[in-house]
Amino acid sequence: NAGVTQTPKFQVLKTGQSMTLQCAQDMNHEYMSWYRQDPGMGLRLIHYSVGAGITDQGEVPNGYNVSRSTTEDFPLRLLSAAPSQTSVYFCASSAQGAGEKLFFGSGTQLSVL
Amino acid sequence: ELKVEQNPLFLSMQEGKNYTIYCNYSTTSDRLYWYRQDPGKSLESLFVLLSNGAVKQEGRLMASLDTKARLSTLHITAAVHDLSATYFCAVTAGGTSYGKLTFGQGTILTVHP
Repeated sequence: NAGVTQTPKFQVLKTGQSMTLQCAQDMNHEYMSWYRQDPGMGLRLIHYSVGAGITDQGEVPNGYNVSRSTTEDFPLRLLSAAPSQTSVYFCASSAQGAGEKLFFGSGTQLSVL
Repeated sequence: ELKVEQNPLFLSMQEGKNYTIYCNYSTTSDRLYWYRQDPGKSLESLFVLLSNGAVKQEGRLMASLDTKARLSTLHITAAVHDLSATYFCAVTAGGTSYGKLTFGQGTILTVHP
């Protein structure tokens, strides 16, 4: 059981480039989300989804785009990378239910030069 | 807007000592999570607390929740070096906000011999 799989693990971009961070889960979870982690700020929610075809913005959505065409996949797109998007990105998933915890992927370390 | 504050942000402990990390949140929440993160790694779920007065324990860690005071504590008993990590608390806004977490800044715990 792979859990939550993120790719790539590391990425370096130049300002203005675009890219997609991949996230897949094999637990049939309804809920998926993307967070970014910056030093001293904890994790902040970028976008999340409650099921296929349904997405919503989180705390810091600007510059990012998401879609959820299947239950398993939730890619995060950087439309035009900026140095302010240098961060560690985590994808997470959870099942519906009061006691359900979030399962996190291993993270993607992104540097934008 | 839901805000989560942890205290302290840095904690240096001697092995064998006890200490408590505090997590305050600003608005009503029906779910509180504690996570552990080792350097360069993903987040590992420790506890999910669902109701007022909930207490959960695993090993040397015990978490509690007081929803009236909007306060959760993570108590460390007889610390050992292996507990050195960053600890995060996180809450949801309730209702159908599964997977939509607001995190505290994190507490960096270092346990010394």
